[in-house]
Amino acid sequence: DGGITQSPKYLFRKEGQNVTLSCEQNLNHDAMYWYRQDPGQGLRLIYYSQIVNDFQKGDIAEGYSVSREKKESFPLTVTSAQKNPTAFYLCASSPGHASSGNTIYFGEGSWLTVV
Amino acid sequence: GESVGLHLPTLSVQEGDNSIINCAYSNSASDYFIWYKQESGKGPQFIIDIRSNMDKRQGQRVTVLLNKTVKHLSLQIAATQPGDSAVYFCAENGWDNYGQNFVFGPGTRLSVLP
Repeated sequence: DGGITQSPKYLFRKEGQNVTLSCEQNLNHDAMYWYRQDPGQGLRLIYYSQIVNDFQKGDIAEGYSVSREKKESFPLTVTSAQKNPTAFYLCASSPGHASSGNTIYFGEGSWLTVV
Repeated sequence: GESVGLHLPTLSVQEGDNSIINCAYSNSASDYFIWYKQESGKGPQFIIDIRSNMDKRQGQRVTVLLNKTVKHLSLQIAATQPGDSAVYFCAENGWDNYGQNFVFGPGTRLSVLP
């Protein structure tokens, strides 16, 4: 099946621990994104990448890190510096070409809870 | 799993009625807009999109209207069904020096009454 796969679906983090959320896409998209979703708020951009080995901070990058070593993969690490990490995390991708009308598609999300 | 959007505005409609969900966008330079449907605990699903050179676009049971003068977008769902119950939100296309980005609205929860 073509699409975006996020894993794990549910993850629990202890205080002071780093955790990594996986995101893989087989859509041959150049651009990939990580969003955080909290109740009552719109999606907030954490990091995004338009090409392999390059990425940019979004609006709420503090306490997070990413890598883009392969076109199909864009893992997100939630570090211990993120003080309020409990949220629903969404990975997305788009063709990323420099033209409008490129739809962004989402994975099924990962729930992260601090215990 | 926990439901996102616990404090969203809610639209309740009777099954079979038409639903209208509204969205105000912020950037007059945005040239592409998308509506998404998000069911509880799942990722958003693409419903329909529209470019800024259009005022209206129709899909299967859904219509999107764009009013650029007041920066307003609406999603109309005809003959609303129980399976339409979800959170709906709009997205506007944005660009920065790095590339394409999107800005998302907070969403509206649609509740279909039997």
